[in-house]
Amino acid sequence: EPEVTQTPSHQVTQMGQEVILRCVPISNHLYFYWYRQILGQKVEFLVSFYNNEISEKSEIFDDQFSVERPDGSNFTLKIRSTKLEDSAMYFCASSAQGVGYEQYFGPGTRLTVT
Amino acid sequence: GIQVEQSPPDLILQEGANSTLRCNFSDSVNNLQWFHQNPWGQLINLFYIPSGTKQNGRLSATTVATERYSLLYISSSQTTDSGVYFCAVAVIQGAQKLVFGQGTRLTINP
Repeated sequence: EPEVTQTPSHQVTQMGQEVILRCVPISNHLYFYWYRQILGQKVEFLVSFYNNEISEKSEIFDDQFSVERPDGSNFTLKIRSTKLEDSAMYFCASSAQGVGYEQYFGPGTRLTVT
Repeated sequence: GIQVEQSPPDLILQEGANSTLRCNFSDSVNNLQWFHQNPWGQLINLFYIPSGTKQNGRLSATTVATERYSLLYISSSQTTDSGVYFCAVAVIQGAQKLVFGQGTRLTINP
């Protein structure tokens, strides 16, 4: 069964460094998402991406964040200058279509900012 | 925005017991998904169920969209069922983002 994959599974970085989290969505899916979960809290939406542009973003997704689909298979989340409060689990998801379609989640990348 | 409330927040049961988890939401939805977060933090898709009833082994789910709630049933619980269960919804009028509830932490004791 096709699945969403994410790399790395765990990333440790120092405050102020740039990080890139990588995702490979399911191959025929058109909509891509990033969510994050701070330890002990609920999962929060960050951004959705369709047709090579952002379709919606949350207030969390400020200028420090960016997303990109650099080729036909990868979908990346970049954090330009990490802060301690960026420490969280980051989930990538994809769906075949948009509104009302099931979203398939990857296993997550645990980001630790020291 | 839409509010998603899950109950109970915590549930402790003995192995073999049955459990019912509830998800209430405050607006009409076109997507509702149940997830199990395992001890490694992974979100495991359980059900995509914007309406109706589905069953998968010992798990089943029912969504009554007109009354804005969904129920997740776990029968004959096993210790491996422990973890946090999340309900997530997407509103009809709006984009595709999922809004998650706070989760129900289920602990199954041997």
